[in-house]
Amino acid sequence: GQQVMQIPQYQHVQEGEDFTTYCNSSTTLSNIQWYKQRPGGHPVFLIQLVKSGEVKKQKRLTFQFGEAKKNSSLHITATQTTDVGTYFCAANDYKLSFGAGTTVTVRA
Amino acid sequence: DVKVTQSSRYLVKRTGEKVFLECVQDMDHENMFWYRQDPGLGLRLIYFSYDVKMKEKGDIPEGYSVSREKKERFSLILESASTNQTSMYLCASSLGGEIYEQYFGPGTRLTVT
Repeated sequence: GQQVMQIPQYQHVQEGEDFTTYCNSSTTLSNIQWYKQRPGGHPVFLIQLVKSGEVKKQKRLTFQFGEAKKNSSLHITATQTTDVGTYFCAANDYKLSFGAGTTVTVRA
Repeated sequence: DVKVTQSSRYLVKRTGEKVFLECVQDMDHENMFWYRQDPGLGLRLIYFSYDVKMKEKGDIPEGYSVSREKKERFSLILESASTNQTSMYLCASSLGGEIYEQYFGPGTRLTVT
């Protein structure tokens, strides 16, 4: 399946700070999805990006799809304790191929 | 409300046993998926199905089989469980056609001893 690499694997953030997690592919993606999994929970769909250079916002979360459609990023501003969890990107290649995820912890 | 249910949250089986994991969705979704989740590896696709009685291998199908006799139910079968199949198993479903968002069940934590 299509390989997507996510970096960093772990992100420790001070409450109130911003951070970004990245998803990279060696091949062009038709679209990409992002999911969030809270500790002890299951993945929940956040968003899908389809167009080259697309940017979508959900409150403090900003998702971007690269111009070449080979990478994507999730930027969270003013991190809160509710942002704790693992964020996965998933590349669409007839089926979804998930990255390994970025696990976020927040220091109050 | 969208719902995907899995037969067990926790399961302990012995090496060599045949194991059935059941998944049921009530959203009339065409597509259903089985993943396993291991630390540092993300979600890896085992099998998926885009229609009743149809199945396709995912990225790691070895040691597993599936059955989809009804649209709402997708079963994962471990013919002879081994310790390296100890993992979290997640079922998901989605609408057919384009790749839409997937709805996940709560997961089954399987331990093979």
